[in-house]
Amino acid sequence: TQLLEQSPQFLSIQEGENLTVYCNSSSVFSSLQWYRQEPGEGPVLLVTVVTGGEVKKLKRLTFQFGDARKDSSLHITAAQPGDTGLYLCAVSGSARQLTFGSGTQLTVLP
Amino acid sequence: DAGVIQSPRHEVTEMGQEVTLRCKPISGHNSLFWYRQTMMRGLELLIYFNNNVPIDDSGMPEDRFSAKMPNASFSTLKIQPSEPRDSAVYFCASSFTGDYGYTFGSGTRLTVV
Repeated sequence: TQLLEQSPQFLSIQEGENLTVYCNSSSVFSSLQWYRQEPGEGPVLLVTVVTGGEVKKLKRLTFQFGDARKDSSLHITAAQPGDTGLYLCAVSGSARQLTFGSGTQLTVLP
Repeated sequence: DAGVIQSPRHEVTEMGQEVTLRCKPISGHNSLFWYRQTMMRGLELLIYFNNNVPIDDSGMPEDRFSAKMPNASFSTLKIQPSEPRDSAVYFCASSFTGDYGYTFGSGTRLTVV
């Protein structure tokens, strides 16, 4: 059983559409991070959420941490081809080592 | 800062050969992590160091894998002997204690034939 379940696994949409991807767990976390990974590169940190119910916005991306701190969502408004990539959520262990979900592969078609 | 630097970017080797992957973390970061990424298993933590000391190597698949961090600016991951199932992208990441996020390198794509 994965510590973090991400859904959907794959998502292909047209430019301009909105989308939401999810990161779920049965465990409670003190913080959660979202990364985006482009082909041939390492993951890049987008945001860290630490408070239950917290909402953070990064341009067209909106991140929410669940009230119980067990889940998170990422909403993209008016997706663009540049948003294409693998979106990963991750949580810290006791020594700040990160465990990653399996990711959502997003493709935005022009 | 040039970020986390990994070398080589690509490595193709024959089964049984020794492979050494290299990483230079961001100056001032005191934690270093080695991850492996495959389609089947995603990103898996292999080992991490804090202040150059290995803290947890429970993710290292087997004794064929070893990692060292002789100083704050350099780490190696060695596979000896290599096997085809070791084919993957290996990432190094660094962070500073107290910071949430990691900075990843661009990875080494290893192919063992």
